[in-house]
Amino acid sequence: AQSVAQPEDQVNVAEGNPLTVKCTYSVSGNPYLFWYVQYPNRGLQFLLKYITGDNLVKGSYGFEAEFNKSQTSFHLKKPSALVSDSALYFCAVRDDTGGFKTIFGAGTRLFVKA
Amino acid sequence: NAGVMQNPRHLVRRRGQEARLRCSPMKGHSHVYWYRQLPEEGLKFMVYLQKENIIDESGMPKERFSAEFPKEGPSILRIQQVVRGDSAAYFCASSPPTGPMAEAFFGQGTRLTVV
Repeated sequence: AQSVAQPEDQVNVAEGNPLTVKCTYSVSGNPYLFWYVQYPNRGLQFLLKYITGDNLVKGSYGFEAEFNKSQTSFHLKKPSALVSDSALYFCAVRDDTGGFKTIFGAGTRLFVKA
Repeated sequence: NAGVMQNPRHLVRRRGQEARLRCSPMKGHSHVYWYRQLPEEGLKFMVYLQKENIIDESGMPKERFSAEFPKEGPSILRIQQVVRGDSAAYFCASSPPTGPMAEAFFGQGTRLTVV
């Protein structure tokens, strides 16, 4: 069965500093991994995904994520945080055994202080 | 290309009434997913449908909840005899039939309040 863990409920970072939002996963086959962002009273917006190939994936708004197969992790990163990055971030996983079901983590709230 | 459209955006129902939530997927998308989000919580998978078929309903409560995705028209999530605990945001997402590597696109959600 698929599962996703986001170990931090909240991450606080100062504007201009690098940020990391952590995610670990468990799947039966090979993983397809996704990051989404949610702003208040809005739906989720897709940021980036890992399918195969290069372990460092670049996405929207300057975000990137690093896939680590041995640690079963897919941490979201950004070199320099903006106040406008403050939002709720979700990691999600599917596996390659043929299904389309996507499981989401509990979410991590990011606060970026000016 | 319009995004995933959900309506209504806000729905208020009295206990015991029925709630019908609608979702029109993006053009060309044949896979629809429904998720529930409680306040300050993550997204809980409810059901995954393709046209005229329920593929995975492992997250659906056994009673009062049903979903369909007919050949024509939007996908419908139906909640019968609503209770206060059904109050939540319900999100629909869709993805193309190109394979499980395709990301899903989300609608703005329907916020159900049961009074």
